[in-house]
Amino acid sequence: GENVEQHPSTLSVQEGDSAVIKCTYSDSASNYFPWYKQELGKRPQLIIDIRSNVGEKKDQRIAVTLNKTAKHFSLHITETQPEDSAVYFCAVYTGGFKTIFGAGTRLFVKA
Amino acid sequence: DAEITQSPRHKITETGRQVTLACHQTWNHNNMFWYRQDLGHGLRLIHYSYGVQDTNKGEVSDGYSVSRSNTEDLPLTLESAASSQTSVYFCASSQDRDEAFFGQGTRLTVV
Repeated sequence: GENVEQHPSTLSVQEGDSAVIKCTYSDSASNYFPWYKQELGKRPQLIIDIRSNVGEKKDQRIAVTLNKTAKHFSLHITETQPEDSAVYFCAVYTGGFKTIFGAGTRLFVKA
Repeated sequence: DAEITQSPRHKITETGRQVTLACHQTWNHNNMFWYRQDLGHGLRLIHYSYGVQDTNKGEVSDGYSVSRSNTEDLPLTLESAASSQTSVYFCASSQDRDEAFFGQGTRLTVV
C-alpha cells in the first residue's frame, strides 16, 4: 500500500524565520496532496492542498510545492508567527478516495 | 451549516467490553473514514466507506468493525476492547478527491 514519510518530526524556528516540512510518497498514481494543521486538543483542518497537474501553490504565507517525478512535496511557511505552532500533517490520496497521512511534524515558533 | 460530529467525546471502558463510537455527518459526503491518533504515529486509517453498504479495512483494522446503513453515519465498534486501543479516534468525511472534514475526536481509555 501507499507509504508516506514526513520529515522532520520536530521543527523549532525563531519567529519570522521560514519553516519547511517535506513528505515523500510511494504510489505514483496519487494525485491529491493536502496539508492539515492540528492545534493542541483540536481536530485537523486543511490549510492548503495541491493536485498533480500543478507544481506549486501559494496562499499568503504558506506554499506547497510538488515534484511528481521524485514523489515528494513540501510545505513552506514564511515569516512564521507564534500562532503557527502546531502539528502539521501531509496526506496523500491513494487509489480511490482513501487518504493516508504522514506521521506529523510538531512545529514550535519561538517568540 | 454542515458538520461532522462524534460521540461520546470521552469514554472510559474496561478491557473486554464492546464499545461503539458514533460519527454523524451532514455534508452528504459519500466517503467516511475512521482514524486513530497516537503519539509518534500520526493518523492511522482503521476503516473507510465509499457509500452505503460499502466498508473497507484500513491499515490498523484488527479488533474494529464498521457498518454503513445510511449516508450520514459510520459507527465504529471495538468488539472486545484492549488496552492497546486506548487512543484518540477521529472520524472524517470527504467527497471524491477533495478536502476531508474531521469530527472533534473521541478520547477512549481502556482500563
